[in-house]
Amino acid sequence: QSALTQPASVSGSPGQSITISCTGTSSDVGNYKYVSWYQQYPGEAPKLIICEVNNRPSGVSSRFSGSKSGNTASLTISGLQADDEADYYCTSYASGKTYVFGSGTKVTVL
Amino acid sequence: QLVESGGGLVQPGESLRLSCVASGYPFSNFWMTWVRQAPGKGLEWLANIKEDGSETYYVDSLKGRFTISRDSAKNSVYLQMNSPRVEDTALYYCARVRKGGFFDLWGRGTLVTVSS
Repeated sequence: QSALTQPASVSGSPGQSITISCTGTSSDVGNYKYVSWYQQYPGEAPKLIICEVNNRPSGVSSRFSGSKSGNTASLTISGLQADDEADYYCTSYASGKTYVFGSGTKVTVL
Repeated sequence: QLVESGGGLVQPGESLRLSCVASGYPFSNFWMTWVRQAPGKGLEWLANIKEDGSETYYVDSLKGRFTISRDSAKNSVYLQMNSPRVEDTALYYCARVRKGGFFDLWGRGTLVTVSS
């Protein structure tokens, strides 16, 4: 149950697109469609932004999109905006009906 | 919504029970989970419990020390923390689990500080 690997930080200018990777193993990301992504602002609870690899919950901006290839999932934020500056976490369902979170990525808007 | 409580300052080894009360949806229809976040650190999944409480699952590092349970009559899920250690200091969140393996409703968390 090791944490999924995410880059510690990603930055981009307003309007640009950025991608955050989330690398796991064949026991989690590679074996299930149950990858989700969460956005967290300082002092706040996480908020679901992507579920089941590439589905956006109601109310989440279409600028957020998800994908998966093999053991790596990705979150893309297009048209980067100032309020996208936050921490982002992936999570995956894993064997044994457990879950594992990613290490987290801090997104900075330059 | 979900509202956690029960956090506070505890000494190492002193037991503590966290509670999470749900409202606004049929509590008995959903799995529930606990997630924690140490100060300045990332999220860590801790435990799951099935709708009827008949199945529970834990992160390997916690097995035997923490216990998740629920009471449908009180719309509540609990986390019993036995023998807490300094490294268990964190903000503890409860969340609702949806089919599809994601957490769509979160509480604001309750802070546990383990220190002598």
